[in-house]
Amino acid sequence: EAQVTQNPRYLITVTGKKLTVTCSQNMNHEYMSWYRQDPGLGLRQIYYSMNVEVTDKGDVPEGYKVSRKEKRNFPLILESPSPNQTSLYFCASSLGQGTFSYNSPLHFGNGTRLTVT
Amino acid sequence: AQTVTQSQPEMSVQEAETVTLSCTYDTSESDYYLFWYKQPPSRQMILVIRQEAYKQQNATENRFSVNFQKAAKSFSLKISDSQLGDAAMYFCAYRAYSGAGSYQLTFGKGTKLSVIP
Repeated sequence: EAQVTQNPRYLITVTGKKLTVTCSQNMNHEYMSWYRQDPGLGLRQIYYSMNVEVTDKGDVPEGYKVSRKEKRNFPLILESPSPNQTSLYFCASSLGQGTFSYNSPLHFGNGTRLTVT
Repeated sequence: AQTVTQSQPEMSVQEAETVTLSCTYDTSESDYYLFWYKQPPSRQMILVIRQEAYKQQNATENRFSVNFQKAAKSFSLKISDSQLGDAAMYFCAYRAYSGAGSYQLTFGKGTKLSVIP
């Protein structure tokens, strides 16, 4: 089954303790992206990647890191989480080199609910 | 920068009735794509319908249709014969056709739709 898999689904951690949220897709998609969703703000892009070893900042990259060593994986790293990073996180992927194709819409993972105390 | 505005934070509709969710956007581009995503309580992001700006014909997917007014920069979603399963958060999203803006979806803040039995 074609899917984007995020883990964990829920995560509670403390301020300053490094964490990684994994994302993997099995559709051979070039494009991958991370969004965070906050009440009243909708979804905002954190980082995206057009292909292996190619990443770029979205609208809210501060406090996050990503890597794209393999095509299928795009982990989100919080080196020193803070309470303002408490949010719902989505990984997404799509076909398309350069720009993702209209005919291949964004496929979303099921989200990771992160709480930082 | 592009912005997407959903002016109705919450709406409700009687089962079997019709409801329209509004969305306006701001862009200086002439070519772009517009989307409506549905997010049920399960948190999944589900693509409902999409529209290419150069197409004058409004997109339709079963009970879902859009009213795309390019000059007014308006992209409303009409749900006919509303069902209990339509209850969800609905997000309007914009993507540029090319350039830096094509690497992300810009989302509105969402409209929470309740369906009354």
